[in-house]
Parts: sequence; structure tokens; C-alpha cells
Amino acid sequence: LAKTTQPISMDSYEGQEVNITCSHNNIATNDYITWYQQFPSQGPRFIIQGYKTKVTNEVASLFIPADRKSSTLSLPRVSLSDTAVYYCLVGDIGVKAAGNKLTFGGGTRVLVKP
Amino acid sequence: EAQVTQNPRYLITVTGKKLTVTCSQNMNHEYMSWYRQDPGLGLRQIYYSMNVEVTDKGDVPEGYKVSRKEKRNFPLILESPSPNQTSLYFCASRTGTGGWNEKLFFGSGTQLSVL
Repeated sequence: LAKTTQPISMDSYEGQEVNITCSHNNIATNDYITWYQQFPSQGPRFIIQGYKTKVTNEVASLFIPADRKSSTLSLPRVSLSDTAVYYCLVGDIGVKAAGNKLTFGGGTRVLVKP
Repeated sequence: EAQVTQNPRYLITVTGKKLTVTCSQNMNHEYMSWYRQDPGLGLRQIYYSMNVEVTDKGDVPEGYKVSRKEKRNFPLILESPSPNQTSLYFCASRTGTGGWNEKLFFGSGTQLSVL
């Protein structure tokens, strides 16, 4: 399984764009990159997933360079309610893959200030 | 509503007293998993199950048991709890069919304290 490295914490202000980079130098060919958001005392919630280039949904964008050794989660125009811990998860999510043993890293604590 | 339901939400027990935390999902998911979350250590996987009667160890399986007799249920069993198992526990599920947009759905968590 690819090990991931994320910043421990980031501060931002309402209305700003937040970019969180995850490093995964040992990513394998079949690995997907998935990001989750977790509020205090709640279970993590899926945000976005990608394999390469750029993926965008109603919540965030995910940028993955050609070498796939890192990825960047972009949260546009954050609000106070975006204060949470964000986890980068890398693994092969195929049915018979070792990635079924899915390990989360330490996550990035994002604090959005007024 | 699609959800993963864990019970109880809070549990205080004493060392050595067997306990079970239940987990149920209503999405017909093949894959289910248990995690524990401790300050500074993130989420660590305890056990996972690819289907009925198929279970496998995660990163921290010691002191835990699981069973998967039915597709929807995946209980976590602590035969002889110890204080170092005090933690916040999460159950999760996903379709298990693999491929694009396979995502984990998490329960609300069970805060366990072992005295």
C-alpha cells in the first residue's frame, strides 16, 4: 500500500481557496486516490476520488500530476463549516486487491477562520 | 435512507467484560470494515470483510474478533477488553465491486471506554 504524507494542519479564512497536497511517492499502477472529510465525533465522509489529471465535483477538485506521486485537494471558497480533518487515501480498490486493507494517514486539520 | 448504523454510540465497561459493538448497513454492500481512531494516530483498520463468511485482518487486529454471518451485519467483538482498547470505533461499508467511485460509508461511531 502506498504511504501518504499530508501537512498536519492548515489555517484559512472564509471565502478563500484551500489546497491540501498529499504525497504518495510509492503509488502503484492500480491505485486510486480518494479524499475524505471528517468532522469531530463523526465518521469520515467521501469527498472526491481520482486516478489521473483533474476531477471536479460539486464540493471540490482533485488535481493529479502525470507522475501521480502527489495529489492536491482544492476546496473553493471555504466557509466556517469546512473546518474539519481531511484524509488522503491511496489504494487499489479492485475487488480482489490488497487495497481492501485500506489505511488512512494522519490527515490534515483545516481550520477556517471568520 | 442509505446508512451504516452502529450501536451503542457510547459504552463504558470494565476490563475483561466481553462486549459486542454492532454494525449494520442497508445498502447491500459486499465490503465492511472496522476502524479505531485515537488522537494523533488517525484511523487504523482493525478487520475487514469482503463478503459473508470472509474476514481478514487489518493493521491492528489484536484483541478483536469479527463475524460476518449475514451480508448486512458485521459485529465487532472484544472478548476481554483492556484499557488500551479505549477508543473511538467506526464501522464502514462499500459496494465491494471495485472500480471507479468505490467509496466508504461510515457509521456515526462508538466511543468505548474500558476502565
